Amino acid sequence: KAGVTQTPRYLIKTRGQQVTLSCSPISGHRSVSWYQQTPGQGLQFLFEYFSETQRNKGNFPGRFSGRQFSNSRSEMNVSTLELGDSALYLCASSLGGFSYGYTFGSGTRLTVV
Amino acid sequence: AQKITQTQPGMFVQEKEAVTLDCTYDTSDPSYGLFWYKQPSSGEMIFLIYQGSYDQQNATEGRYSLNFQKARKSANLVISASQLGDSAMYFCAMRETPGANSKLTFGKGITLSVRP
Repeated sequence: KAGVTQTPRYLIKTRGQQVTLSCSPISGHRSVSWYQQTPGQGLQFLFEYFSETQRNKGNFPGRFSGRQFSNSRSEMNVSTLELGDSALYLCASSLGGFSYGYTFGSGTRLTVV
Repeated sequence: AQKITQTQPGMFVQEKEAVTLDCTYDTSDPSYGLFWYKQPSSGEMIFLIYQGSYDQQNATEGRYSLNFQKARKSANLVISASQLGDSAMYFCAMRETPGANSKLTFGKGITLSVRP
């Protein structure tokens, strides 16, 4: 059974550019969540998508957006990159119910220079 | 106020010994779930164990067990017979209220180093 796949694994972008990260959840999982991990702030929730609808959103500026496709694959986009956006971005998939756990991918490490 | 508190800065344990990683939480929601994840240097978050707030017994998964003390709002992870591969960051996380608020709130994490 394939796990959660995140692409790319590493990314270097210039300040002001935009970036799109991709997450393919476990087959059958309808919920995809995104988290940002930095040394200073730790792990912070970005947003969650369930059946193509954003179900929950964290406290991040509008430069951070996401979407989910009909096959449950999700993308997150960060526009006008800032140096502080450098982080490990983790995607987690779940069946979506409260009793179910989350399976995380290996993350995309974004460096903004 | 922090919802998940992990105050141990770094832990060291001898191989084959047991170790306890502390986690306290804060919630007024009667229905919640507690998770422990392991994050090796590769970055992937690996699920270890889950405890629901209404579960009567402490959760166990192989060498991992959770010492759940609801009244004290603590959910400590116990790793028995430590192995060198257990060296990693360990995160405690909580999920409150089913439905719309389905996100995990993480603690700052604890670094565990297993000595041979």
